[in-house]
Amino acid sequence: AQKITQTQPGMFVQEKEAVTLDCTYDTSDQSYGLFWYKQPSSGEMIFLIYQGSYDEQNATEGRYSLNFQKARKSANLVISASQLGDSAMYFCAMREAMDSNYQLIWGAGTKLIIKP
Amino acid sequence: DARVTQTPRHKVTEMGQEVTMRCQPILGHNTVFWYRQTMMQGLELLAYFRNRAPLDDSGMPKDRFSAEMPDATLATLKIQPSEPRDSAVYFCASGLYGPLSGTQYFGPGTRLTVL
Repeated sequence: AQKITQTQPGMFVQEKEAVTLDCTYDTSDQSYGLFWYKQPSSGEMIFLIYQGSYDEQNATEGRYSLNFQKARKSANLVISASQLGDSAMYFCAMREAMDSNYQLIWGAGTKLIIKP
Repeated sequence: DARVTQTPRHKVTEMGQEVTMRCQPILGHNTVFWYRQTMMQGLELLAYFRNRAPLDDSGMPKDRFSAEMPDATLATLKIQPSEPRDSAVYFCASGLYGPLSGTQYFGPGTRLTVL
């Protein structure tokens, strides 16, 4: 079974609109971390935001926020006021505390295209 | 602004040649990862090190790939002999291991083309 599921292979969004990228996860661990990364066409993988499973508040970093719904096992990325530079692949990833080897489990990614 | 650096950024080589990719992790990070990314397979973990010790390289083709960390500032990934199917982008990432941390910071990648 997939541990990280990103159901949207691709999305088109009008510039300045808010964007929600979906991510659901599957774990039996009580302690885990959730990450979002951005990969623009230039290829680099850029860390965006982190949410720990025990964090009571949703993580925010500038225009990025993570809509963490623990009971539903979802960790959606919200980008407010989208910009053309937000066009990229976005990956959701999870680290389980039971994995002492510290590996990240990756989703397949969502390709986001911002339209002017 | 601390960053992971990788060299070379691009490499074109012929089948059968040796390829060496280098990575300088962020100073102070104690964990280093090597990933490979292709359109077909996505992002695959090849190997990783903690405190310079190899912890897992089960993702690597053992007969041709090798990863080492000769010191805390250098990690290498070698392919010998290279094959066309090795063409991919190879990423190095580093992080600080701990129970509440886990963020991996990626280098710019090495784009490898094997002809």
